[in-house]
Amino acid sequence: GESVGLHLPTLSVQEGDNSIINCAYSNSASDYFIWYKQESGKGPQFIIDIRSNMDKRQGQRVTVLLNKTVKHLSLQIAATQPGDSAVYFCAVLSGGYQKVTFGTGTKLQVIP
Amino acid sequence: DAGITQSPRHKVTETGTPVTLRCHQTENHRYMYWYRQDPGHGLRLIHYSYGVKDTDKGEVSDGYSVSRSKTEDFLLTLESATSSQTSVYFCAIRTDRDFGYTFGSGTRLTVV
Repeated sequence: GESVGLHLPTLSVQEGDNSIINCAYSNSASDYFIWYKQESGKGPQFIIDIRSNMDKRQGQRVTVLLNKTVKHLSLQIAATQPGDSAVYFCAVLSGGYQKVTFGTGTKLQVIP
Repeated sequence: DAGITQSPRHKVTETGTPVTLRCHQTENHRYMYWYRQDPGHGLRLIHYSYGVKDTDKGEVSDGYSVSRSKTEDFLLTLESATSSQTSVYFCAIRTDRDFGYTFGSGTRLTVV
């Protein structure tokens, strides 16, 4: 089955700097990818998604990059703010979007 | 979280007792899910529903049952709670149009 892993359990970033959170997946047939943000005591919130026919997608201050060759995706947050402090995890969908596997999460700590 | 309410938000129960968690949605979505979230694990699917009275098992369904008698309500029951079921439980919905999940705020369940 699919396995999804994050490279770092914790990432500390200075306020104003850019943050990069990584996710690796194992199934080359995976076709849809989502990044979620989870603040303490709350449910995960959708940030951005990307389909397998794309390499890059941008949102407001966030960019997701997908490298299908090495089965890796990343979430870039520009000008990181204290409100960005949360756990971020990826979700990988396959099997015609019927099978979803969630990563374990990277805790982003923003240093004022 | 928009459209999804979980109850209770917190519960402490004794080993061997039955427990029912409720998920209520106001958006008439067809797909509803129950996940558990534990340290060191990504979200793991317990059960899901694709319509009224249509449910199926997820990867960690042992010890859990579900019911969906109305579109808006999805109930998760622990028939006889065990300490290994101490966890945070999230309900999620998914639309037919896209594949992102919207999560509730979670129920923190402690089995003592």
